[in-house]
Amino acid sequence: QSALTQPRSVSGSPGQSVTISCTGTSSDVGAYDYVSWYQQNPGKAPQLMIFDVTKRPSGVSDRFSGSKSGNTASLTISGLQAEDEADYYCCSYAGTFVYVFGTGTKVTVL
Amino acid sequence: QLQLQESGPGLVRPSETLSLTCIVSGGSIYTSAHQWGWIRQPPGKGLEWLGSINYSGDSYYKPSLKSVVSISIDTANNHFSLRLSSVTAADTAVYYCARRSNLAARPWIQWGPGTLVTVSA
Repeated sequence: QSALTQPRSVSGSPGQSVTISCTGTSSDVGAYDYVSWYQQNPGKAPQLMIFDVTKRPSGVSDRFSGSKSGNTASLTISGLQAEDEADYYCCSYAGTFVYVFGTGTKVTVL
Repeated sequence: QLQLQESGPGLVRPSETLSLTCIVSGGSIYTSAHQWGWIRQPPGKGLEWLGSINYSGDSYYKPSLKSVVSISIDTANNHFSLRLSSVTAADTAVYYCARRSNLAARPWIQWGPGTLVTVSA
């Protein structure tokens, strides 16, 4: 499995919305509705933000939402806040207990 | 509350074997409820899933690393371990242990703080 493809960086002003894409193949993203998204702050472990494409764990702001179309999943952050500045990684189940992560996207709040 | 903590040498010589342990505290590792995994991140780069194991020792690996990665579980001492053989500088990374539900395709919900392993002579 190759890493899922994400844009290197996205940016937005406070209050705006940004969307991060995550492109895989028909063997991973396109095959399963098991895409998750993780937020990683510098020097910290990743934290789960979205799972099963659209679901949010308890405690995650509803400003974070996920979607999927074909082989591409997306994470949208609405009402961008300074605290959202971080790296974001998608992850897809790829069958037979195997997972593949995305290349990562740096979100900058202008 | 379950906690995960990686443990092991911070420096490994090229061609040798990298060995790390994830100590699980606050609960038993011997449970059908969870799977235990290893994920790494080279400095300044992205995350890479390496493999995972369940309580009965069934293990699963990234296909391209199957020949060099091994994950084991020690239920008596409540930890699981990673071995990566024939390491090179490209294996320099922060290594995270993580936990997920043992149900189908569940996300990695809990991570250890990570440990940096440098491969260098």
